[in-house]
Amino acid sequence: RKEVEQDPGPFNVPEGATVAFNCTYSNSASQSFFWYRQDCRKEPKLLMSVYSSGNEDGRFTAQLNRASQYISLLIRDSKLSDSATYLCVVNNLWAGNTPLVFGKGTRLSVIA
Amino acid sequence: NAGVTQTPKFQVLKTGQSMTLQCAQDMNHEYMSWYRQDPGMGLRLIHYSVGAGITDQGEVPNGYNVSRSTTEDFPLRLLSAAPSQTSVYFCASSYGTDYEQYFGPGTRLTVT
Repeated sequence: RKEVEQDPGPFNVPEGATVAFNCTYSNSASQSFFWYRQDCRKEPKLLMSVYSSGNEDGRFTAQLNRASQYISLLIRDSKLSDSATYLCVVNNLWAGNTPLVFGKGTRLSVIA
Repeated sequence: NAGVTQTPKFQVLKTGQSMTLQCAQDMNHEYMSWYRQDPGMGLRLIHYSVGAGITDQGEVPNGYNVSRSTTEDFPLRLLSAAPSQTSVYFCASSYGTDYEQYFGPGTRLTVT
């Protein structure tokens, strides 16, 4: 099983839609989880950290399910500017030589 | 603050040439890392450093060397470039793996 897995998409959604991505991770000892956003030919930037109790930032909600080892990202009222690739990132300090593991990303296209 | 800077932005090398990709940060971050990003592969960790004088290998270290003589700088050296090293290289810095990673704008390297 890969350390961090994401559906690559693309997810093509109309403006105003709600879209959700999931990301599964294999290391049950992982303690920190993040969602990053990467625009085409740009560097990744932090979208939000994922807390055990779940957290919300405007139209974005992140959830963590430790029992099933996945995190999710929900985007409400999608905007054209939300079109990007969303990377799931997991702290992997206690396994292997990769302290932070990045998923391959889920591509989102929001269509007018 | 300039954040994380990388030079050069673009580079073309011939097979067998060597070069150094520069990375610098002005945020006094202890943790720095180098990633390569290839289509369909996501971000893969090459080397990382938890502080000046300390470096460690990541997932794909072969063909690359690093050093960390100061907190600010973390150069990546390609010893003898190969076409398989054609990629986009990102440097990142942070207070640690539990914190936001700040990425540089990337270096697009082509090896012919």
